[in-house]
Amino acid sequence: NAGVMQNPRHLVRRRGQEARLRCSPMKGHSHVYWYRQLPEEGLKFMVYLQKENIIDESGMPKERFSAEFPKEGPSILRIQQVVRGDSAAYFCASSPITTGDPEAFFGQGTRLTVV
Amino acid sequence: LAKTTQPISMDSYEGQEVNITCSHNNIATNDYITWYQQFPSQGPRFIIQGYKTKVTNEVASLFIPADRKSSTLSLPRVSLSDTAVYYCLVGDMVGGYNKLIFGAGTRLAVHP
Repeated sequence: NAGVMQNPRHLVRRRGQEARLRCSPMKGHSHVYWYRQLPEEGLKFMVYLQKENIIDESGMPKERFSAEFPKEGPSILRIQQVVRGDSAAYFCASSPITTGDPEAFFGQGTRLTVV
Repeated sequence: LAKTTQPISMDSYEGQEVNITCSHNNIATNDYITWYQQFPSQGPRFIIQGYKTKVTNEVASLFIPADRKSSTLSLPRVSLSDTAVYYCLVGDMVGGYNKLIFGAGTRLAVHP
């Protein structure tokens, strides 16, 4: 059973471009979290999704950021018109179907650099 | 939202036992306490989870007093590879799911 897969591992974008980050959860997991981490800081919650449904997006910036988790395929975190401040590591985590389970499995992250 | 407080950093030496304490004064009745470990350039990894008293697995032990307002992660005989950031999380059930809120964590440095 493969772990949570994120791609790409590293992504470089120029200011104003779009960034698409992908996350394939563990097999059998239908819940996905997205987090952002700046250097030397903790993880900041962004969004929590179930298949085809956004449950909690309270940590998402109001503009330029969106997330989806379609019925088929990976979860996508999309950042439009990137700015230098978007440079960070973005981690995805998945958890089992059972809600309330405190254990989430994290991917290796995507390191976004905006130049 | 339940909030946690941990030491910012700790130092230890190989072979020693390390205890990291986390305060969570506002923990709710249904909340679990969970600890994660994060190595540089990697995603966090689940270590241990408990509700009350003591929990032990192959990696660590978790001690939770009766009032549950704090918890202590115990790492026996640490090695250099235990150098990492350790996060204490208190389960925050929002809309029926566990919203994992990470604090700043404790940076553990293990020295030879």
